[in-house]
Amino acid sequence: GENVEQHPSTLSVQEGDSAVIKCTYSDSASNYFPWYKQELGKGPQLIIDIRSNVGEKKDQRIAVTLNKTAKHFSLHITETQPEDSAVYFCAASRGNNDMRFGAGTRLTVKP
Amino acid sequence: NAGVTQTPKFQVLKTGQSMTLQCAQDMNHEYMSWYRQDPGMGLRLIHYSVGAGITDQGEVPNGYNVSRSTTEDFPLRLLSAAPSQTSVYFCASSYSQGTADTQYFGPGTRLTVL
Repeated sequence: GENVEQHPSTLSVQEGDSAVIKCTYSDSASNYFPWYKQELGKGPQLIIDIRSNVGEKKDQRIAVTLNKTAKHFSLHITETQPEDSAVYFCAASRGNNDMRFGAGTRLTVKP
Repeated sequence: NAGVTQTPKFQVLKTGQSMTLQCAQDMNHEYMSWYRQDPGMGLRLIHYSVGAGITDQGEVPNGYNVSRSTTEDFPLRLLSAAPSQTSVYFCASSYSQGTADTQYFGPGTRLTVL
């Protein structure tokens, strides 16, 4: 089955700096790669996703890149703000019922 | 539109007790699922359903039962709780039944088994 590895496990940046979180996956058939943000005491919430027919996707300060050959994808957050502080999860799947999540990255944005 | 709701928010059980975690959604989503979240392990799929009357096992189904009698509700049952089931449980729903798509998560139930 799919195996997703996520790095780093913790990341601390100054407000205004950029943050990058990286994930690798093992199943070359995976074609959907979402990123979820989880705030303390809440459920994960989708912030951006990318499908395998696209190399990059951007939504305001958030971007995701996908390298299918190397089987890795990354989340980029620019101009970080304190409200970006949360745990971020990557995932990879072929369908809803085989989604595998990374272990998570705790991002802290220091004002 | 409440989205995905879960009850209770917190629960403490003794080993061997049974309980049902409730999950409901008001988005008319056909696909619903249950995950458990453990420290350092991300989320793991327990059971899922692609519609009323249809359920199937995920990655870690042992010790859990589900049923889906309506589109809205998808309860998770622990028949005989074990300390290894101490975790945070999330219910999720999605419009798509097969193709991977956005999953909407509930707020979670924190379960402790003593």
